[in-house]
Amino acid sequence: KAGVTQTPRYLIKTRGQQVTLSCSPISGHRSVSWYQQTPGQGLQFLFEYFSETQRNKGNFPGRFSGRQFSNSRSEMNVSTLELGDSALYLCASSLVGQLPDEQYFGPGTRLTVT
Amino acid sequence: DAKTTQPNSMESNEEEPVHLPCNHSTISGTDYIHWYRQLPSQGPEYVIHGLTSNVNNRMASLAIAEDRKSSTLILHRATLRDAAVYYCILRRSGNTPLVFGKGTRLSVIA
Repeated sequence: KAGVTQTPRYLIKTRGQQVTLSCSPISGHRSVSWYQQTPGQGLQFLFEYFSETQRNKGNFPGRFSGRQFSNSRSEMNVSTLELGDSALYLCASSLVGQLPDEQYFGPGTRLTVT
Repeated sequence: DAKTTQPNSMESNEEEPVHLPCNHSTISGTDYIHWYRQLPSQGPEYVIHGLTSNVNNRMASLAIAEDRKSSTLILHRATLRDAAVYYCILRRSGNTPLVFGKGTRLSVIA
């Protein structure tokens, strides 16, 4: 079974631009979560989608948004990029999104904002 | 959310057992104890989870104290590939996200 895939793997953007990242979960998984990882803040939860609905949201500004499609694929969007948005963005999927579900992480998208 | 406390770093010799401790004195009765690890340049990877009883799987064992205020992840024979940051995470019942702390950086010496 294929794992979680994320595209693109690397991205360079300029401050003020917007970016869209994509995540394809493991086949059959209905929950998709997004995390941001930076050296200073570590791994932080952004949001979680289940059956096309945002079910949980972390403490990030409204510039960070996401959505999930009927095939469970998910996208996250960051508008008006800031230098501090440079990070590794990780997507994780799980089967039903209920405890004690294990989450499977993708390799991440490395975003650099210049 | 209940917090966990882990040592910043630990070191082990290859092929020796490793005991990674985690304190969670404010754990509630419905909190599951999860362990994830992150190898260099990879996303986190699920290791094991438990609620009250000790658990074993192909990767590791999880020993949970009787009062549940602490737990220990046991790698029975450390290999170089086990060098990673190990995260101990509590998840309350329901649809709660993973809340990562700083974890324990495990170094394995050949």
